[in-house]
Amino acid sequence: NAGVTQTPKFQVLKTGQSMTLQCAQDMNHEYMSWYRQDPGMGLRLIHYSVGAGITDQGEVPNGYNVSRSTTEDFPLRLLSAAPSQTSVYFCASSTQGSGNTIYFGEGSWLTVV
Amino acid sequence: GNSVTQMEGPVTLSEEAFLTINCTYTATGYPSLFWYVQYPGEGLQLLLKATKADDKGSNKGFEATYRKETTSFHLEKGSVQVSDSAVYFCALSVRGGTSYGKLTFGQGTILTVHP
Repeated sequence: NAGVTQTPKFQVLKTGQSMTLQCAQDMNHEYMSWYRQDPGMGLRLIHYSVGAGITDQGEVPNGYNVSRSTTEDFPLRLLSAAPSQTSVYFCASSTQGSGNTIYFGEGSWLTVV
Repeated sequence: GNSVTQMEGPVTLSEEAFLTINCTYTATGYPSLFWYVQYPGEGLQLLLKATKADDKGSNKGFEATYRKETTSFHLEKGSVQVSDSAVYFCALSVRGGTSYGKLTFGQGTILTVHP
């Protein structure tokens, strides 16, 4: 079972470079989201999607773009990386329903130097 | 808004000790409550959940009871093992509209268990 797949797992970027974190799920889930994890702050929601063609901002959206052209894929783009974006990024997916389990990918460790 | 507060860590215990990690929440709606665990170098895994008041979630010897009156969801385990060493996150999700599929997390509690 693939579940939620993120790539790359590790990446080092220079300030000002751009990159895309890929996320794919094979569970036909409507809801997908991106979180960042920073020490002592838990996970914070970056962007969110309720279906193909529909995205919305979360708690910390600045510096990130998303799109959702298919149900399966939800890439996260950093247009001009900054050291403050050094973090661990998690993609997640679920079906409708607040009690439903939200499934996470294994994370992408990003360092911006 | 929604928020989750976990007890400050890190928590260090000896094997077979009793574990409690406190979690309290505030929510604008009627939330479902979750505990996620993150083992070193890995992603988040659902440990247990409860979707309504007085529900008890349980898994791998861990338990937590949804207490609406105290807005709490404390995690407990009667006898911890070295393999339980991980970061534990309390989280909530509320019903309705675009709130589905979104989690609000606590800051995480690092647990280290020594032999």
